[in-house]
Amino acid sequence: QKEVEQDPGPLSVPEGAIVSLNCTYSNSAFQYFMWYRQYSRKGPELLMYTYSSGNKEDGRFTAQVDKSSKYISLFIRDSQPSDSATYLCAMSGTGFQKLVFGTGTRLLVSP
Amino acid sequence: DTEVTQTPKHLVMGMTNKKSLKCEQHMGHRAMYWYKQKAKKPPELMFVYSYEKLSINESVPSRFSPECPNSSLLNLHLHALQPEDSALYLCASSQDRGAKNIQYFGAGTRLSVL
Repeated sequence: QKEVEQDPGPLSVPEGAIVSLNCTYSNSAFQYFMWYRQYSRKGPELLMYTYSSGNKEDGRFTAQVDKSSKYISLFIRDSQPSDSATYLCAMSGTGFQKLVFGTGTRLLVSP
Repeated sequence: DTEVTQTPKHLVMGMTNKKSLKCEQHMGHRAMYWYKQKAKKPPELMFVYSYEKLSINESVPSRFSPECPNSSLLNLHLHALQPEDSALYLCASSQDRGAKNIQYFGAGTRLSVL
């Protein structure tokens, strides 16, 4: 079993839809949870990070962490064609140096 | 400013060439990383420098040689690469290898080995 599981997609939605992206993990030592957006042939861009459990909101993006279920989510409201990209979840524990990535979910938002 | 700058953006090299990739950050971060990313895969960690000292080498072949001249700069020296080394090479940095391991990535160098 992989440490972090993420559905590779592709996930296709119409413009304006609410998008839900998810990852599950097995290592209870993870404390930092990150979401990166990666456009084709570009480096990953940090969208949001959360520490431990809870929610965090930034504009159209909301990140949620449920440590009891070992489940994290990223919600995108009012999705735009410019949101079409691969979304990578990543996590690490306190004191760890290695990020553990999900496989990435490819999102396609059609006009 | 959360910028990590990588040069060059693209590199084509033959198997006998020697080349270097460069990475720079001015965020005062004390940990810097090299990752390799193949198409449709997540980044794979290669090396970690913490306070300018190599702290992790993920069993990377010796044809890849990292160097950290100072706290803002990271180089990756390439020699006698193989075609399977063609990939996107990413540099990242974080505040410290300890408590807050939030990593910021550069745009990458797309390497093709002929």
